[in-house]
Amino acid sequence: KAGVTQTPRYLIKTRGQQVTLSCSPISGHRSVSWYQQTPGQGLQFLFEYFSETQRNKGNFPGRFSGRQFSNSRSEMNVSTLELGDSALYLCASSLAQAGGATDTQYFGPGTRLTVL
Amino acid sequence: GENVEQHPSTLSVQEGDSAVIKCTYSDSASNYFPWYKQELGKRPQLIIDIRSNVGEKKDQRIAVTLNKTAKHFSLHITETQPEDSAVYFCAASQGGFKTIFGAGTRLFVKA
Repeated sequence: KAGVTQTPRYLIKTRGQQVTLSCSPISGHRSVSWYQQTPGQGLQFLFEYFSETQRNKGNFPGRFSGRQFSNSRSEMNVSTLELGDSALYLCASSLAQAGGATDTQYFGPGTRLTVL
Repeated sequence: GENVEQHPSTLSVQEGDSAVIKCTYSDSASNYFPWYKQELGKRPQLIIDIRSNVGEKKDQRIAVTLNKTAKHFSLHITETQPEDSAVYFCAASQGGFKTIFGAGTRLFVKA
């Protein structure tokens, strides 16, 4: 099976602009989570989608939003970009079967966003 | 809110020595505990995981232990090699949902 893919891989934007990042999960995976990774800050949870519904949300401002489509692909959007939004954005997919029998998250390569 | 604390933040060992990374979680509903390794410039990769109905799991040089009562779980790497150098993340989740990651441990293995 193909792994998790993310597009674009690199992005340069200026303050005030908005950006949309895309994530295609492993075929059959129904859950997609998004994380922000900055140097020394680990993996900060943004949100999680399951069957087109946002199940959980981290502590990020409303400028960060996302959605999931019927084919489980997900997008996240950041509006009014700030310098501090520069980071590696990772998405991860999991099978998320009932009962949690297979819970492992598989990460994509990430989108490196630079805000100038 | 839910939290996962990970220690130490940096660990330096001599090649061949053992390395231990410890995590503590706060959500008693957590039942799945994966460990990820992230090499420089690469995505996090699962190296081992453990579920709440198991106390210990081993895979070659890597082992994980879980103490549900104390809400502690640990990663043990024996006979460390230079290629073990990376950042390691622990995580806790409820059946794969709502996964919370620790802050990471940067492991240096000196040859």
